[in-house]
Amino acid sequence: EVQLVESGGGLVQPGGSLRLSCAASGFTVSSNYMSWVRQAPGKGLEWVSVIYSGGSTYYADSVKGRFTISRHNSKNTLYLQMNSLRAEDTAVYYCARGEPKNPWYFDYWGQGTLVTVSS
Amino acid sequence: EIVLTQSPATLSLSPGERATLSCRASQSVSSYLAWYQQKPGQAPRLLIYDASNRATGIPARFSGSGSGTDFTLTISSLEPEDFAVYYCQQRSNWPSWTFGQGTKVEIK
Repeated sequence: EVQLVESGGGLVQPGGSLRLSCAASGFTVSSNYMSWVRQAPGKGLEWVSVIYSGGSTYYADSVKGRFTISRHNSKNTLYLQMNSLRAEDTAVYYCARGEPKNPWYFDYWGQGTLVTVSS
Repeated sequence: EIVLTQSPATLSLSPGERATLSCRASQSVSSYLAWYQQKPGQAPRLLIYDASNRATGIPARFSGSGSGTDFTLTISSLEPEDFAVYYCQQRSNWPSWTFGQGTKVEIK
């Protein structure tokens, strides 16, 4: 059974850093496109970043230069390192798997982890 | 950036009724559009991909249509569990994928 479990969210001051983790089971992270998608409180969905199976990474303009996506193959875990955090980064962060045959769509999602940026 | 505009913002219907949701793109996305369902406190669920293909395990009452800039998600007969928020997502503008702002389907 495919499962994604995020962790690492919490309250952080503006300008601070946080690292999110997404532990996967039932499939191999490194063989799939893996993304982070966020949702501000009461708002819609925003794609944040993707890491391709080949290792290429891409970011939304809103986080480029501040966030870094990575993975640890032996731990089958996805990460999002978030630096220089702003109030507008406050959101629930979901990790999501790209559907294997259509990896630009997200077929499995974690339960999300809440990041609050506030002083 | 491709902007997706969903309408209406809220759809008030009764169980058994037909729901028609719209998603309009600011420029052509060909057929590269998906639909997701999200219930309160839950992660989104993939319903439709490439405009008209149902994802694994999705009931036949859900159908998608459209191409270019205009897309529709239809729920033929609403079940109680279908009341939720629905989002469209484009993957045409690689790798800057965007979502619509959502349509809430609520019980009338």
